[in-house]
Amino acid sequence: GAVVSQHPSWVICKSGTSVKIECRSLDFQATTMFWYRQFPKQSLMLMATSNEGSKATYEQGVEKDKFLINHASLTLSTLTVTSAHPEDSSFYICSAHRGRSSYNEQFFGPGTRLTVL
Amino acid sequence: KQEVTQIPAALSVPEGENLVLNCSFTDSAIYNLQWFRQDPGKGLTSLLLIQSSQREQTSGRLNASLDKSSGRSTLYIAASQPGDSATYLCAVNDYKLSFGAGTTVTVRA
Repeated sequence: GAVVSQHPSWVICKSGTSVKIECRSLDFQATTMFWYRQFPKQSLMLMATSNEGSKATYEQGVEKDKFLINHASLTLSTLTVTSAHPEDSSFYICSAHRGRSSYNEQFFGPGTRLTVL
Repeated sequence: KQEVTQIPAALSVPEGENLVLNCSFTDSAIYNLQWFRQDPGKGLTSLLLIQSSQREQTSGRLNASLDKSSGRSTLYIAASQPGDSATYLCAVNDYKLSFGAGTTVTVRA
């Protein structure tokens, strides 16, 4: 149990276009999901915390108008990179809490590799 | 702001040797600490989770200890194998996960 999927696993797009990444909890309900990005040879940096039915909370320095997050159901959160530029190329990973407690383990998706040309 | 440090940044050992990976954090008010494995270009695989009330967790050849008061955790991997080659990340949960930069391990056959 506790499987998180992401789609697509990789995407290549042209500069200026928008890209949507989906994060799904397959066998549990996730009231909270998290979005991270990881640059090559660096660690994961939290971008935002997504709560079902409410606005996402963004970390300092993350542009909320550029990285649109929607958490419309207990099993799905989406990250849309708007007007993507080459500097947005990165590995994006989502995670989900199973249950409501912050004591709970986070389960991670397999990641999405975004390349902006 | 929680700061997580992992030492060493890279480690190369011959097969069969035991591995010791270190993680330190600055704020001891945590819920739990997780160790992950990441293969190149892949996502994270959770290895062990230690709740703040626990001192260690074991799974097979892996053992992780937690000393909250000193802000340290250690991951031990016994009898290393080439398949253990990967980057190991520790992450501290004080509601949000803060990750260390990782230790890249190479086990030589």
